[in-house]
Amino acid sequence: NAGVMQNPRHLVRRRGQEARLRCSPMKGHSHVYWYRQLPEEGLKFMVYLQKENIIDESGMPKERFSAEFPKEGPSILRIQQVVRGDSAAYFCASSPPGGGTDTQYFGPGTRLTVL
Amino acid sequence: SQQGEEDPQALSIQEGENATMNCSYKTSINNLQWYRQNSGRGLVHLILIRSNEREKHSGRLRVTLDTSKKSSSLLITASRAADTASYFCATDAPGGKLIFGQGTELSVKP
Repeated sequence: NAGVMQNPRHLVRRRGQEARLRCSPMKGHSHVYWYRQLPEEGLKFMVYLQKENIIDESGMPKERFSAEFPKEGPSILRIQQVVRGDSAAYFCASSPPGGGTDTQYFGPGTRLTVL
Repeated sequence: SQQGEEDPQALSIQEGENATMNCSYKTSINNLQWYRQNSGRGLVHLILIRSNEREKHSGRLRVTLDTSKKSSSLLITASRAADTASYFCATDAPGGKLIFGQGTELSVKP
């Protein structure tokens, strides 16, 4: 059973470009969480999604950021018009239906660098 | 606001010594977890302790939880150079999200 997969592992973008980060949850998992880790800091919650639904986006910046988890395919975190302050590691975690915090499995992360 | 706060922010010890890291949080929890992160890498889950537990062991790791003080500690005994990493506590929050502390950066010198 493959773990949570994220790609790309490293992404370089110039200011103003778009960044798309993908997260494939573990098989059988229908809940996805995205977290951001700025340099020298802990992870901060961004958004919680179930298939085709955004459940909690209280940690998402109001502008330029969006997330989706379609019926088929991976969850996508999209950052439009990136700025240098978006440089960070972005982690996703997945959990099974009904699962809570004690059944979250983390992916290896995508490290975004904005030039 | 950040739920978990950890101290110390950085800890440097010699191989063979014990390392103790502390985590404090603000609201009631169902569980608290500790993670390790090597530089530039992903998170490795170490141990979960539930709110009705006071102490838990896993190999060289010992975690305590004091819900009355809203604090937890992680003890790594007989540390090794390979234990060098950042250690984070994380508490559960409504909706299933995790709230992470700022982390303790542990350096174990051979």
